[in-house]
Amino acid sequence: AQRVTQPEKLLSVFKGAPVELKCNYSYSGSPELFWYVQYSRQRLQLLLRHISRESIKGFTADLNKGETSFHLKKPFAQEEDSAMYYCALLTSGSRLTFGEGTQLTVNP
Amino acid sequence: GAGVSQSPRYKVAKRGQDVALRCDPISGHVSLFWYQQALGQGPEFLTYFQNEAQLDKSGLPSDRFFAERPEGSVSTLKIQRTQQEDSAVYLCASSLGPGQGKVGEQFFGPGTRLTVL
Repeated sequence: AQRVTQPEKLLSVFKGAPVELKCNYSYSGSPELFWYVQYSRQRLQLLLRHISRESIKGFTADLNKGETSFHLKKPFAQEEDSAMYYCALLTSGSRLTFGEGTQLTVNP
Repeated sequence: GAGVSQSPRYKVAKRGQDVALRCDPISGHVSLFWYQQALGQGPEFLTYFQNEAQLDKSGLPSDRFFAERPEGSVSTLKIQRTQQEDSAVYLCASSLGPGQGKVGEQFFGPGTRLTVL
């Protein structure tokens, strides 16, 4: 069965520090992975997709099939990055399987 | 443009009552999804429509849950005989459809927070 694990519920860093949000997955098929973000009082929205290999708001994520991971990274965190981040796996049809989320706080 | 809208935003129900939650997807979006998000958890898939066809309802937790999208636009999630464990935020999302737009990009509504007393 498919599963997405985000081991850290809470992550706190200082502004300017590097940040890494961990995501591991379990899936028997060819994985397509995503990071979704929810800023305070806003809706859940797509941040980035592994297949596009893009950098959004300074964030990148590399799919490592050997380690079944898709960690989200940013070299210099900003206060506006504070949000809830969800890793998600696209499975049968078009459904998304989400992890439990990591609340990132960037302190001034 | 207008995003996905959901109503009501908040719903309090007594145990045993029936509730109906509405979702208005983005105009022209073929695919529509319902998710349930319990407190402190990530969204969990409930069901998926492509136009008016319900292609996947494997996530519905019991036969008390029923969803419809009769004209391929607005969708309603109905919960019969609500129980306390049904308390959660119910999220609706829509997307352009298979083979269109960014794969995996779903546009979410603000959610309906259901509290069952």
